[in-house]
Amino acid sequence: NAGVTQTPKFQVLKTGQSMTLQCAQDMNHNSMYWYRQDPGMGLRLIYYSASEGTTDKGEVPNGYNVSRLNKREFSLRLESAAPSQTSVYFCASSVGQGRYGYTFGSGTRLTVV
Amino acid sequence: RKEVEQDPGPFNVPEGATVAFNCTYSNSASQSFFWYRQDCRKEPKLLMSVYSSGNEDGRFTAQLNRASQYISLLIRDSKLSDSATYLCVVNMLDSNYQLIWGAGTKLIIKP
Repeated sequence: NAGVTQTPKFQVLKTGQSMTLQCAQDMNHNSMYWYRQDPGMGLRLIYYSASEGTTDKGEVPNGYNVSRLNKREFSLRLESAAPSQTSVYFCASSVGQGRYGYTFGSGTRLTVV
Repeated sequence: RKEVEQDPGPFNVPEGATVAFNCTYSNSASQSFFWYRQDCRKEPKLLMSVYSSGNEDGRFTAQLNRASQYISLLIRDSKLSDSATYLCVVNMLDSNYQLIWGAGTKLIIKP
């Protein structure tokens, strides 16, 4: 029972490089999310997708883009990485608006040097 | 003022003790409240939703106080395995898709 799968688990980038974080869920959830988690702060929403075909900005979208490829997959792209984007990134999914909670992937630890 | 505030701890508690911590929120119109648990270097996992009437799940009890705008989590007969960071989560006024997460309260249960 995979749940939410994120890749890669770890990544080191140089400033200015680009990369895509992949996320897939096998629970037939409609909604998917990308969060970042920094020390001493709560999770902050980057982008979300309420349903296949839609995406919306969250609290901290600058420097990121997303693609809801299909119902299962929701990717996050950093076009030109900056040291401020060093963080732990979590993908999550939920049934509807998350009233019954979110299921998270295991996270991607990204360091931008 | 942060929208969701938690005491970061750590709370150091002996095994078997009862521990409680609160979380305050700023949006009086919030409707959805949750406690998540996050182990070190792991993803958050839903512990329980918090209902207006309060709710209990085994050793865990959650309460909501709308008048004072806080939610609480009580853990009875604490186990070593309860050691984790507990995250308080509240929805934004106009969207259940956008949750506001507290930074968490770290709990350490000592033998």
